[in-house]
Amino acid sequence: AQSVTQLGSHVSVSEGALVLLRCNYSSSVPPYLFWYVQYPNQGLQLLLKYTTGATLVKGINGFEAEFKKSETSFHLTKPSAHMSDAAEYFCAVSEGVYNQGGKLIFGQGTELSVKP
Amino acid sequence: GAVVSQHPSWVICKSGTSVKIECRSLDFQATTMFWYRQFPKQSLMLMATSNEGSKATYEQGVEKDKFLINHASLTLSTLTVTSAHPEDSSFYICSARKRDSFNQPQHFGDGTRLSIL
Repeated sequence: AQSVTQLGSHVSVSEGALVLLRCNYSSSVPPYLFWYVQYPNQGLQLLLKYTTGATLVKGINGFEAEFKKSETSFHLTKPSAHMSDAAEYFCAVSEGVYNQGGKLIFGQGTELSVKP
Repeated sequence: GAVVSQHPSWVICKSGTSVKIECRSLDFQATTMFWYRQFPKQSLMLMATSNEGSKATYEQGVEKDKFLINHASLTLSTLTVTSAHPEDSSFYICSARKRDSFNQPQHFGDGTRLSIL
């Protein structure tokens, strides 16, 4: 069975500092991996995704993530945090097999706080 | 593009009432829609997968008779919480997958906050 583990339910950084949100997955088949952001009382917005190809993926708002198969990781980074980055972040995995409907398995979420 | 609209965004009702939540894909056709439930400060838990023109597939532990799902068209899926009770209070989120795009991400609605008194 697939699973996703996000290390740290809460991360706090100063404005301008590096953001690192950790995600490890387990999957018996090549995974499709996603990072989503959720603002209070809203749905999820896709930040970036990895399906195949280049392992370093760039997303919106200056975020990027690197797929490391050997480490079964897909950590999310941003060089310089902005106050508007404060939100809940979810890592998710999908088997990406069409006949399985592309169900997403979500991690527990990491709340990012940005201090001025 | 790829906008998913959920309605209502917030609903408060008395215990025993049935509540219907709509999920619409506004600018694309969605053969598959997903319904999630999210408790405060927790992750999203998939409740069911809704396929246009067929019965929904429910996850283990989700009561089919309690959470009725209908996906009657390529742009609309509905979730009806029947005889809702306070323990059904939660944030319900739908997502939709574009037709013929198996490796594309799901697009999420803004969620419906359900409060049962």
